[in-house]
Amino acid sequence: DQQVKQNSPSLSVQEGRISILNCDYTNSMFDYFLWYKKYPAEGPTFLISISSIKDKNEDGRFTVFLNKSAKHLSLHIVPSQPGDSAVYFCAASARETSGSRLTFGEGTQLTVNP
Amino acid sequence: DVKVTQSSRYLVKRTGEKVFLECVQDMDHENMFWYRQDPGLGLRLIYFSYDVKMKEKGDIPEGYSVSREKKERFSLILESASTNQTSMYLCASSRRLAYEQYFGPGTRLTVT
Repeated sequence: DQQVKQNSPSLSVQEGRISILNCDYTNSMFDYFLWYKKYPAEGPTFLISISSIKDKNEDGRFTVFLNKSAKHLSLHIVPSQPGDSAVYFCAASARETSGSRLTFGEGTQLTVNP
Repeated sequence: DVKVTQSSRYLVKRTGEKVFLECVQDMDHENMFWYRQDPGLGLRLIYFSYDVKMKEKGDIPEGYSVSREKKERFSLILESASTNQTSMYLCASSRRLAYEQYFGPGTRLTVT
């Protein structure tokens, strides 16, 4: 069963506009969430995270929102830039799991058009 | 600056061969992980290790084994490669209680 789901395989936006990437989860034990960005032929790199005790975390152009009651998180990129074009993965972790293992979603391919 | 390296970027093997994928990290991280990435399926955890000589199964361990003899090195072994193991393999590491994982560049394995 897919505990972390990203229902949009792809998203296309214009440069300068907002990109909103969505992620849903089913496991209520998840208490920490991360977003990773992946360029072709490179490994994923950490972007931003949020603990379940918060509902928002901001870092420059990137903001992550968490709605625990809906088991939903979203990543907002404002303004979007062509260099943001990449695959974005959301990931979740539960404190009681050993080794801080992460469960990843399927990924969303973001394309920012100039 | 954290560095995770993987022994090969591209690898082509024949069905039935034994395949070794090596991963080395230089940040003294306790935890190490092996994932495979397939289109539409995201990253799926194969095995992980939180200490030398320790290992735990992830979500898809069948057909794979691992070895961690030194803290900095984590090896993934395909005992008898099959075509359904053609994939991108990613290694990652993290500090013991940290959530953030650092990834290597990946190995694109093709089994023919």
